[in-house]
Amino acid sequence: EPEVTQTPSHQVTQMGQEVILRCVPISNHLYFYWYRQILGQKVEFLVSFYNNEISEKSEIFDDQFSVERPDGSNFTLKIRSTKLEDSAMYFCASSEMGTWNYEQYFGPGTRLTVT
Amino acid sequence: KNEVEQSPQNLTAQEGEFITINCSYSVGISALHWLQQHPGGGIVSLFMLSSGKKKHGRLIATINIQEKHSSLHITASHPRDSAVYICAVRDTDKLIFGTGTRLQVFP
Repeated sequence: EPEVTQTPSHQVTQMGQEVILRCVPISNHLYFYWYRQILGQKVEFLVSFYNNEISEKSEIFDDQFSVERPDGSNFTLKIRSTKLEDSAMYFCASSEMGTWNYEQYFGPGTRLTVT
Repeated sequence: KNEVEQSPQNLTAQEGEFITINCSYSVGISALHWLQQHPGGGIVSLFMLSSGKKKHGRLIATINIQEKHSSLHITASHPRDSAVYICAVRDTDKLIFGTGTRLQVFP
């Protein structure tokens, strides 16, 4: 069964460094998402992406964050200058279409630790 | 802004018990999701509902659109059902998540 994959599974970085989190969505999916979960808190939406453009973003997704689909398979989340409060589990998700009746499939997550 | 509330926050059960987890939301929605999160952190989708009831194995999910309420039931619970169960509602592109219900099933 096709699945969303994410790399790395765990990333440790120093405050102020740039990180890139990578995702490979399911191959025929057109809509891509990033969510994050700070330890002990609920999952929060960051951004949705379709047709090489951001379609929606949350207040969390400020200028420090960017997303890109650099080729036909990868979908990346970049954090330009990490802060301690960026430490979280980051989940990528994809769906075939963007309407409500299409399910979002989640990757296993990347645990980001900022020291 | 939609608020998603789940109850209970924590639940312990003996193997074989019938489990119910509740979810309420504040604004009308197009779809509601039930997801499962294991200790390693991965999220697995269990159900997507827009109306009525769905069943998959020992899991049953119901939704009452008028009351803005959904329930997830687990029949004949088993220790392997131990996980965090999360309700999420669809709002435009995104999912808005509840805080989750931590379920522990003891043999």
